[in-house]
Amino acid sequence: NAGVMQNPRHLVRRRGQEARLRCSPMKGHSHVYWYRQLPEEGLKFMVYLQKENIIDESGMPKERFSAEFPKEGPSILRIQQVVRGDSAAYFCASSDSLQETQYFGPGTRLLVL
Amino acid sequence: AQSVTQLGSHVSVSEGALVLLRCNYSSSVPPYLFWYVQYPNQGLQLLLKYTTGATLVKGINGFEAEFKKSETSFHLTKPSAHMSDAAEYFCAVRGIIQGAQKLVFGQGTRLTINP
Repeated sequence: NAGVMQNPRHLVRRRGQEARLRCSPMKGHSHVYWYRQLPEEGLKFMVYLQKENIIDESGMPKERFSAEFPKEGPSILRIQQVVRGDSAAYFCASSDSLQETQYFGPGTRLLVL
Repeated sequence: AQSVTQLGSHVSVSEGALVLLRCNYSSSVPPYLFWYVQYPNQGLQLLLKYTTGATLVKGINGFEAEFKKSETSFHLTKPSAHMSDAAEYFCAVRGIIQGAQKLVFGQGTRLTINP
């Protein structure tokens, strides 16, 4: 029973480029959450999605960041025109319809040069 | 609104000694509480959780935590530390009501085990 999958595990981008982070939830899970972990800090909530719907995006920066969870395929977190401050670990979690527990993926570590 | 405070960003104990990691929370609604562990360059692994029922919950790797509503605490303990316990530990809270699914994390506590 595969866990939450994220790819790539490491991503290097130059300032101004786009970053696309992918998350495949656990089998049977239809709820996806994205969190960001800045160096030496805890995780901060970004966005919560169900299939084809954004439920809560209260933690998303207003510009350059977007997320989707299409009917088919993984959830995507997209960061346009990256800046050095976007360098962080981005974690995806998923839960089932009961939403009691969130299970985390291994994360994508983004480095912006 | 919810918040979590983890007292002590770094805790160091000797192998075989008691591990105590402190977590206090603030929540305007009945909380669900979680402890996660993160090993270097890895994701978060669920150690244990409190939702309802028994206030003393047991988790993996010999860890346990007790929900104390009067103290708004959810401290993590392990009777005897092992070298493999060295990691970062995060306490998290979320509300149980619909629409309150996001986890709010503490800043984390880095646990070091001395031989």
